[in-house]
Amino acid sequence: GESVGLHLPTLSVQEGDNSIINCAYSNSASDYFIWYKQESGKGPQFIIDIRSNMDKRQGQRVTVLLNKTVKHLSLQIAATQPGDSAVYFCAEQYGNKLVFGAGTILRVKS
Amino acid sequence: GAGVSQTPSNKVTEKGKYVELRCDPISGHTALYWYRQSLGQGPEFLIYFQGTGAADDSGLPNDRFFAVRPEGSVSTLKIQRTERGDSAVYLCASSASPGHPTDEQFFGPGTRLTVL
Repeated sequence: GESVGLHLPTLSVQEGDNSIINCAYSNSASDYFIWYKQESGKGPQFIIDIRSNMDKRQGQRVTVLLNKTVKHLSLQIAATQPGDSAVYFCAEQYGNKLVFGAGTILRVKS
Repeated sequence: GAGVSQTPSNKVTEKGKYVELRCDPISGHTALYWYRQSLGQGPEFLIYFQGTGAADDSGLPNDRFFAVRPEGSVSTLKIQRTERGDSAVYLCASSASPGHPTDEQFFGPGTRLTVL
């Protein structure tokens, strides 16, 4: 079936540390994955994406890793800042729709 | 505006009433999506429009939910005989190149619907 899930519902990190948010997916046929950030009262905001023919992709302060063998996705945020505090979702492109996981709350302590 | 806009931002209604939620996509975007997000959950797909037609309405939970996009731009999500379980944030997204596997969906801020 199509489902995307997250291991940790809440992650607290110290400002300046690196953050790692994990996600497991179940549809081995999926070939496109996206990480979204959602702040309170706002819609999800695109962070970074990755195709299944890649295992790593880097953006500005963010890196996404894809392990197709164990169907695992992770988002790494370097030098986490207070502005990174939000809920993070991984999503899987399934046809024309996105299938989202439940989300991880990232709290950055100053 | 530059982004997707949704009105109203908040809607409180009574059980059994009819509501309409509006979405203004990014100008020029031909694809429009509706999602529903319950508290503590990720968004769940409801319906996808390509132009004026609903290309995929497989996520609509039942026949009380209906959406239109008569001119291929603004869309309205309509909910009849609202139930308390319909309470959620309704998100709209639009994209420029439907069907492209890496086409980005841009989300609006959502409408928070509360059914009393």
